[in-house]
Amino acid sequence: GAGVSQSPSNKVTEKGKDVELRCDPISGHTALYWYRQSLGQGLEFLIYFQGNSAPDKSGLPSDRFSAERTGGSVSTLTIQRTQQEDSAVYLCASSLGAGGYNEQFFGPGTRLTVL
Amino acid sequence: SQQGEEDPQALSIQEGENATMNCSYKTSINNLQWYRQNSGRGLVHLILIRSNEREKHSGRLRVTLDTSKKSSSLLITASRAADTASYFCATDRKAAGNKLTFGGGTRVLVKP
Repeated sequence: GAGVSQSPSNKVTEKGKDVELRCDPISGHTALYWYRQSLGQGLEFLIYFQGNSAPDKSGLPSDRFSAERTGGSVSTLTIQRTQQEDSAVYLCASSLGAGGYNEQFFGPGTRLTVL
Repeated sequence: SQQGEEDPQALSIQEGENATMNCSYKTSINNLQWYRQNSGRGLVHLILIRSNEREKHSGRLRVTLDTSKKSSSLLITASRAADTASYFCATDRKAAGNKLTFGGGTRVLVKP
């Protein structure tokens, strides 16, 4: 089947605006992850959803960041009042289930540029 | 600090040569995974090695894991120009649920 998809592929916004990034995981995958990759910080974990459990939000850098996962499938990452340091590639991944032996499959990412 | 630290940071080799990169980590893990990334975009999963495994092969890839030294290595044999990419190790730590912690990556350039 199809892999993880993300939209938009690129997003340019002005400082202070809100943005929404979308992730469609692989069908049947119950776990969904958001990471971001920036020059200064490398690849960082942001948030993790597993089934109906409360998400692990421990990686979110500030309260301007939030994410939802509706119907156990599509996820939206929202960044409010964007700042220039939010510029990065935001990567979504999904895996078949919980547990440490599930491979995570990544989408192509959304490149966010905050002017 | 990063859970995974990789070395070298960059590697330049001729096509046909082998490429070896290493990853070290700090805390106990469930598994360690290697990913490839082209052009700074999507990550491609290469191989997963569990904490109770010592070596794993997949095509031209060979991964070793030494939990006593908290280190792993990725060997690409008979490299090709298409192997040019950045390679990342990622650990799934026992104390951190299922989220992955990535190393800084090794940039590999395979010259034709």
